[in-house]
Amino acid sequence: DAGITQSPRYKITETGRQVTLMCHQTWSHSYMFWYRQDLGHGLRLIYYSAAADITDKGEVPDGYVVSRSKTENFPLTLESATRSQTSVYFCASSKGRGLEAFFGQGTRLTVV
Amino acid sequence: ELKVEQNPLFLSMQEGKNYTIYCNYSTTSDRLYWYRQDPGKSLESLFVLLSNGAVKQEGRLMASLDTKARLSTLHITAAVHDLSATYFCAVEESVGTYKYIFGTGTRLKVLA
Repeated sequence: DAGITQSPRYKITETGRQVTLMCHQTWSHSYMFWYRQDLGHGLRLIYYSAAADITDKGEVPDGYVVSRSKTENFPLTLESATRSQTSVYFCASSKGRGLEAFFGQGTRLTVV
Repeated sequence: ELKVEQNPLFLSMQEGKNYTIYCNYSTTSDRLYWYRQDPGKSLESLFVLLSNGAVKQEGRLMASLDTKARLSTLHITAAVHDLSATYFCAVEESVGTYKYIFGTGTRLKVLA
């Protein structure tokens, strides 16, 4: 399917476990982003990437790791999940600066 | 560090009324984006504003950008129930980066 897809859509994990959220886009967009959305905080940028093998920290990177070996994929890994990482995670992609970003459907992650 | 503030955070209005949502940001930028999010859904792009004085209109929504004042407005004309959603502005942090920082959002409820 064309577009940007996230998987899984819902995930429950235990504290201390590693979990990876997947993001795949079919447009070959250069830029990709990970945000988390929490009540009262809007969307906060976790990591972003300008191209394959180029990633940068956003506003709240602690506890997260990203990689981008291929243009179309941008997985987000929580190395040791904590309850404070319970959130809705959105992946987005953009063709370039000054252009709109397109968002995935989100992954609702619960850490128990 | 770029800060993006929206006000009001919550807005309840009657159908047919006009209102304005404000987006202030703290550092120089000439790229601002507006997004809409329906409850439980992803974000969709509304407007891209790329220069001082830029104005974009779509239906009952009109967005403008004043880079000198570091202010964008989203004006709603003759509101209808279908406009009920959360509206976010996002600002690209400084020239030469592609880091998009979001405001906390304005939750709009249009009462029939």
